Amino acid sequence: EVQLVESGGGLIQPGGSLRLSCAASGFTVSSNYMSWVRQAPGKGLEWVSVLYSGGTTHYADSVKGRFTISRDNSKNMLYLQMNSLRAEDTAVYYCARVGTGDNFESWGQGTLVSVSS
Amino acid sequence: QTVVTQEPSLSVSPGGTVTLTCGLSSGSVSTTYYPSWYQQTPGQAPRTLIYITNTRSSGVPDRFSGSILGNKAALTITGAQADDESDYYCVLYMGGGIWVFGGGTKLTVL
Repeated sequence: EVQLVESGGGLIQPGGSLRLSCAASGFTVSSNYMSWVRQAPGKGLEWVSVLYSGGTTHYADSVKGRFTISRDNSKNMLYLQMNSLRAEDTAVYYCARVGTGDNFESWGQGTLVSVSS
Repeated sequence: QTVVTQEPSLSVSPGGTVTLTCGLSSGSVSTTYYPSWYQQTPGQAPRTLIYITNTRSSGVPDRFSGSILGNKAALTITGAQADDESDYYCVLYMGGGIWVFGGGTKLTVL
């Protein structure tokens, strides 16, 4: 069974850094495309980043240059390093496996990041 | 900047049919955008309903169907049930490793 479990969220001051983790089971992270999607409180979903199996990464303009997606193949983990955090980065962050036809086929339960002084 | 448009809210009567749409601020949605649809209830993670325009995800009832209608992607619910009351999101793959979600449609069943 495919399972994704995010962790690492919390309260952080503006300008600070945080690293989110996503533990995967039931499949191999390095063999799949993996993504982060976020949802600000009361708002819609926003795609954040993708890591392809070959190692290529892409980012939404809103986070480019501040966020870095990566993985640890030995631990079957996905990460999102978030630097220079802003109030508008406050959201629940979901990790997702990208499946056939570039859809987000499996989702974690999310982890909440709150950026506030 | 590409904007993906959805109806902010829709309502349907139990047993009725409703169509949610997913458009582009500039241009037409086609199958090459690989439109997919997600259902989300409050406090829960999204659930995949439809991908590659019209393929139902595993376990999704056949009352949910996807298509291209005119210049938009569409999600049609036929025979709506009370537990279909949710937020629905579409997402389009823009190419180059970039996805854009629509703003979501809040569906009320009443």
